[in-house]
Amino acid sequence: DGGITQSPKYLFRKEGQNVTLSCEQNLNHDAMYWYRQDPGQGLRLIYYSQIVNDFQKGDIAEGYSVSREKKESFPLTVTSAQKNPTAFYLCASSARQGSYTEAFFGQGTRLTVV
Amino acid sequence: AQSVTQLGSHVSVSEGALVLLRCNYSSSVPPYLFWYVQYPNQGLQLLLKYTTGATLVKGINGFEAEFKKSETSFHLTKPSAHMSDAAEYFCAVRANSGGSNYKLTFGKGTLLTVNP
Repeated sequence: DGGITQSPKYLFRKEGQNVTLSCEQNLNHDAMYWYRQDPGQGLRLIYYSQIVNDFQKGDIAEGYSVSREKKESFPLTVTSAQKNPTAFYLCASSARQGSYTEAFFGQGTRLTVV
Repeated sequence: AQSVTQLGSHVSVSEGALVLLRCNYSSSVPPYLFWYVQYPNQGLQLLLKYTTGATLVKGINGFEAEFKKSETSFHLTKPSAHMSDAAEYFCAVRANSGGSNYKLTFGKGTLLTVNP
């Protein structure tokens, strides 16, 4: 079945560590996105990529990094510079052609700093 | 720039009652509008979307929404609430043109509680 797979579902990070969240899609979508979700704040865009080897900062990119070496994969690294990383992270993808198309979401990764 | 405002962070209804979740948008060009539903600790699932054409849009699980350009609104309704409708609902907008037209902008969400 086509879809978006995020792993792991739960992730624990120690202070000062970098961690990488995985996102893989087999929908043949060009565009991929990372959102951060905090209670009462909706979804905030971290980074997005419309094509392989290209990506742009979203609204809250500080302390995060991404890569887009393959169409299917868009990993997110939460660096030690991110001061408040505990949140629910959602990856999404959409067809690039036509902004009328919806985004499809993964099941999310819950990151907790311990 | 585009934005979305969801009126009411928490809505509570009785089972069988009408569900009305409000969404107003701001966009300088005709928008594409979406409603998503999220169950606890899960991703978002598309309920319905408005692109062009008929302004009354029907979605899954008995939900529908009406695009009203004059009111810049896209409210979500369901005639009779079911216990399984309890979830968080997000309205989203995507601009119809421009270089950043592939970004979705989300509202802050409305948590729907259904009482027996």
